[in-house]
Amino acid sequence: EVQVVESGGGLVQPGGSLRLSCAASGFTVSDYGMTWVRQAPGKGLEWVSAIGGGVSGTYYADSVKGRFTISRDNSKNTLYLQMNSLRAGDTAIYYCARRVAVAGTWAFDIWGRGTMVTVSS
Amino acid sequence: QSALTQPPSASGSPGQSVTISCTGTSSDVGGYNYVSWYQQHPGKAPKLMIYEVSKRPSGVPDRFSGSKSGNTASLTVSGLQAEDEADYYCSSYAGSKNLLFGGGTKLTVL
Repeated sequence: EVQVVESGGGLVQPGGSLRLSCAASGFTVSDYGMTWVRQAPGKGLEWVSAIGGGVSGTYYADSVKGRFTISRDNSKNTLYLQMNSLRAGDTAIYYCARRVAVAGTWAFDIWGRGTMVTVSS
Repeated sequence: QSALTQPPSASGSPGQSVTISCTGTSSDVGGYNYVSWYQQHPGKAPKLMIYEVSKRPSGVPDRFSGSKSGNTASLTVSGLQAEDEADYYCSSYAGSKNLLFGGGTKLTVL
C-alpha cells in the first residue's frame, strides 16, 4: 500500500527545535517531489516546504524560511522537516504529502494523518 | 503573498449542484494551470479531488469537476451526497516555487 506516516511532533518551548519524520512505503521518496503542509487548530491549510524528486532543490514559505529545513534520507525512504527557532505561530498539525507524478504540477495525492506540533511555554 | 479567497461556506440539498469559487491574482490562479482542490473531513487528512484545474485523480467521482476563468477557479459538485459534506480547499502555484492555499469552504449538505 502506498502511504506516508508522520512522526516526531510534540510539545516544545518557544525558541526550541523539533525534527519531523515522514516514512514512506509503497513508493520511493527520491522518485517524487514531497511537501510539508500545516494546519493550525481550527484553521486552513498552509504550505510550508517542498523538495523535488531526484536532485531537485528545496523550497520554503516565507514564514519558515531560514528556520526550517526539508531533507530526505533515501536509504530510509524518509522525508524530514527540521524546525528551529520555533514560535507559537508554528503550532499546527504537520502533514507530509507526495507530489502527483506529473511534471511541473503542484498537486499532492498521498497524504499522511499528520503529527501535532505545539509550541508553548 | 496572500491566501486565495474562498467563501467560508456553501450549501445544497442532496442531488443538487453547488459551486465553490477560489479567487486569486494573475500571479497565481490566473497565471498558471496548477490549481488543485482538496476535500477534508473533520479530523482527517486532505484528499486530492482535482488537479491542474480540471483533472480528476483515479477514484474521484465524476460528480466533481473543476474549471477556471481568469483569476478565479471553481469546483462544482453535482448530485450532492451526504458524504460530500466537508471542508474544501483550493491551492495554486504562485511562481518562484511557492504554493498558496485558499482559506477553505465548509460545504453543508442540507
